Amino acid sequence: AQSVAQPEDQVNVAEGNPLTVKCTYSVSGNPYLFWYVQYPNRGLQFLLKYITGDNLVKGSYGFEAEFNKSQTSFHLKKPSALVSDSALYFCAVRDTGFQKLVFGTGTRLLVSP
Amino acid sequence: NAGVTQTPKFQVLKTGQSMTLQCAQDMNHEYMSWYRQDPGMGLRLIHYSVGAGITDQGEVPNGYNVSRSTTEDFPLRLLSAAPSQTSVYFCASSYYISGGPAEQFFGPGTRLTVL
Repeated sequence: AQSVAQPEDQVNVAEGNPLTVKCTYSVSGNPYLFWYVQYPNRGLQFLLKYITGDNLVKGSYGFEAEFNKSQTSFHLKKPSALVSDSALYFCAVRDTGFQKLVFGTGTRLLVSP
Repeated sequence: NAGVTQTPKFQVLKTGQSMTLQCAQDMNHEYMSWYRQDPGMGLRLIHYSVGAGITDQGEVPNGYNVSRSTTEDFPLRLLSAAPSQTSVYFCASSYYISGGPAEQFFGPGTRLTVL
C-alpha cells in the first residue's frame, strides 16, 4: 500500500523568512514523489519531483525539496518566502510500478508581508 | 499547445440527472486521470486510463463511468447525480515512467453542484 501525509493544515511565515512544508510517505518499494501548488480557483501546477539521484531536488519558483529515505520524508523548502507563494500545496507519491498517484490532504501556506 | 482542457467550468445539476464532463489533452500523453477535490480530503482518484481503450478504477469510482476511445479525450460520466458528488473535478494527463505516471498536467477544473 502507498500513502502520504501532510501533518500541517496551515503554515504561516513572514515574507523573507525560510519556509518548510512537511510531507511523509509510505511505500513498499522505491517512491516517486511530487509536489504541486494550487492557486485559488485554479488547477494544480507541478513544482518538482524525486525519482532517483540527488536527495536535494530543485524545482520551479525557487522551491526545493529534500528526500530523506530513513525518515520517509520529502519536505518542501524555500530559502526566502514571497507573499505570492501563498497557496495550497500538495505532496503526492506512488510506488514503483504502481499506476495510481496518492495525494496528501494539502497544506495552506500563508506568507505575511 | 493548449495542454489539458476541461468543459464545462461550472455546472449545476438536480439529483438524478446525468451529465458528461469533457477532458482533452494535446500532449500525446498515454496516462489520463480524473480526480475530485473536496475540502480537507485532498485529491481522490476516480478513474484512470493508461491508453486508448484501457481504463481502470481509482479510489472513489462509484457513480462514475469513463471511456477512452482516443489518446486525446477522456470524458467522465455521472450516471445519476447525487448531492455527495458536489465537488471540484480535475482531469490530468502525463507520460509514463517506470510503470506509472510521471508528473501530471492538470486541467482548470469543473465545479459541480448537485441540488
